[in-house]
Amino acid sequence: QSVLTQPPSVSAAPGQKVTISCSGSSSNIGNNYVSWYQQLPGTAPKLLIYENNKRPSGIPDRFSGSKSGTSATLGITGLQTGDEADYYCGTWDSSLSVGVFGGGTKLTVL
Amino acid sequence: QLQLQESGPGLVKPSETLSLTCTVSGGSISSSSYYWGWIRQPPGKGLEWIGSIYYSGSTYYNPSLKSRVTISVDTSKNQFSLKLSSVTAADTAVYYCARQGRRSLGMDVWGQGTTVTVSS
Repeated sequence: QSVLTQPPSVSAAPGQKVTISCSGSSSNIGNNYVSWYQQLPGTAPKLLIYENNKRPSGIPDRFSGSKSGTSATLGITGLQTGDEADYYCGTWDSSLSVGVFGGGTKLTVL
Repeated sequence: QLQLQESGPGLVKPSETLSLTCTVSGGSISSSSYYWGWIRQPPGKGLEWIGSIYYSGSTYYNPSLKSRVTISVDTSKNQFSLKLSSVTAADTAVYYCARQGRRSLGMDVWGQGTTVTVSS
């Protein structure tokens, strides 16, 4: 069982918007930066968001991140079939002294 | 651009030691801005952080694996390595190396991953 809680799956139609939640506690999300990763089938994870809401160079602004208290959210607008992937949140847990990931959310673009 | 490449045996026997190396190209492992980490993903499951190392040799390990894990760095070869001892079938996974921002702790460059199977 993951320290960070994500919904197992979300779905939406092409062109629509979807949000993926990541719930934690004060020892992890509440006091540390959150990152988000996209993992396409059979490939390595790719950084989408770092420091809660910043996008690395090359990541389109369709992807956004936010954090409030002990929860974080990834938003994806203008959904494309190529966005079908597993999405993971990650952060540091200061109490456990460990890097932690959410269990992952499978996005289906219907 | 910076690239990371994992290498090592794809098959390890139970109770033996898993050894992997990550070679960094297109940049220096001695950057003060980054850690260098290992992450694994069992078949059909999520990501698990194993540990990270700074170029100076400072290490940070997942407490659940700490008794079995050693991560080391060789700045002369621009490489860092993972050793996991006393492996069992539960250690079967895809193992990734990644560059990790020292401030953000986000992992912005990943290797392609290498599959390690623990079996006799």
